[in-house]
Amino acid sequence: DSGVTQTPKHLITATGQRVTLRCSPRSGDLSVYWYQQSLDQGLQFLIQYYNGEERAKGNILERFSAQQFPDLHSELNLSSLELGDSALYFCASSGKIGTSGGEQFFGPGTRLTVL
Amino acid sequence: GIQVEQSPPDLILQEGANSTLRCNFSDSVNNLQWFHQNPWGQLINLFYIPSGTKQNGRLSATTVATERYSLLYISSSQTTDSGVYFCASGGGYQKVTFGTGTKLQVIP
Repeated sequence: DSGVTQTPKHLITATGQRVTLRCSPRSGDLSVYWYQQSLDQGLQFLIQYYNGEERAKGNILERFSAQQFPDLHSELNLSSLELGDSALYFCASSGKIGTSGGEQFFGPGTRLTVL
Repeated sequence: GIQVEQSPPDLILQEGANSTLRCNFSDSVNNLQWFHQNPWGQLINLFYIPSGTKQNGRLSATTVATERYSLLYISSSQTTDSGVYFCASGGGYQKVTFGTGTKLQVIP
């Protein structure tokens, strides 16, 4: 158990809908990262937050948005869902106070299926 | 952005055999990690190794940051080692880039 929790574990929805994925980092970690893993794209970095502020942005679509709250949990919002958004979405955390980047620990992932 | 090339892409080993997996980076390495993704999809930390050599049981890793590569050694492989091995670089203020992975199958 990495200490990173993600909910829900599975999500099935329809095209055009909006969903929210939730992540709670390890105790004391200030950074949260979001990743998408689809069969044909491998692991793709979406976005990173550090202590509530966006720190780095990857290949995140405009239909997707994220935020990190004062209690350090993070949410990834996916809207106007398409079939191609079906994937495993991972959250990771790292970075206690005084560190830069550092070792990431991954949650179990949320499997999103868009029908 | 940085490119990460992993080799070999696929590997089949007889139980008990040794292997070396490699990651090559197109630019400076930062916060380099190795992960194992098991058949259930879970990503398990193996090594955080920005430079130098580390060992953990049958696994060891070496990163030569100046030459922009990292190696993962698996000795006396077991069927439970099967899965996909990824390396990744980035974090801090940098985008994180994962390699395409090495799919390992260990047969009894």
